[in-house]
Amino acid sequence: EIVLTQSPATLSLSPGERATLSCRASQSVASYLAWYQQKPGQAPRLLIYDASNRATGIPARFSGSGSGTDFTLTISSLEPEDFAVYYCQQRNNWPLTFGPGTKVDI
Amino acid sequence: EVLLVESGGGFVQPGGSLRLSCAASGFTFSSYAMNWVRQAPGKGLEWVSAISGSGGSTYYADSVKGRFTISRDNSKNTLYMQMNSLRDEDTAVYYCAKALTTTCHGCYMDVWGKGTTVTVS
Repeated sequence: EIVLTQSPATLSLSPGERATLSCRASQSVASYLAWYQQKPGQAPRLLIYDASNRATGIPARFSGSGSGTDFTLTISSLEPEDFAVYYCQQRNNWPLTFGPGTKVDI
Repeated sequence: EVLLVESGGGFVQPGGSLRLSCAASGFTFSSYAMNWVRQAPGKGLEWVSAISGSGGSTYYADSVKGRFTISRDNSKNTLYMQMNSLRDEDTAVYYCAKALTTTCHGCYMDVWGKGTTVTVS
């Protein structure tokens, strides 16, 4: 099973600041990595897939990069609605696995 | 509008059974693999199971293998999860989620339902 590790666990920032979230895989997942956003009481929302492709309707301030074992989600300028928990997920191997999440709060 | 609506959650004693359903609409259901993902209270996301569009291929997390069975009825646009031998640690919100594209079984998930809560106690 591929284990995904996310850092930091919590990121405390202010609106307008840049957020940089990390996801590291225990073995290579090539570019088969996605990022999701989840707000309290809501289902997750797909943001980025294949490491760097924005999903439909996702604002350009969200960007993803990386390949192999190291990946980054960047939010260029935080909006109030961006404060949430972010998960990475790999689809390179069964079972599909998620990281433990990074909480972005004020 | 693409929509997924889960149902069937509830309270059950350890060792009991439950069947979850997920009604899909707004897309060609049979063309897409489907997934169940769960989230224990205050915890992260855990992928549980996936099924191909035809239903011919199924995949499970080790934590539920042999106890849970995923299936689908493409004539009814409905996904199911039969959950047997339930344990305390199966307590979670269960989401059904649609695969992003028609060409993958293990895939990313672009549409999610609101979830149904299963409590084993």
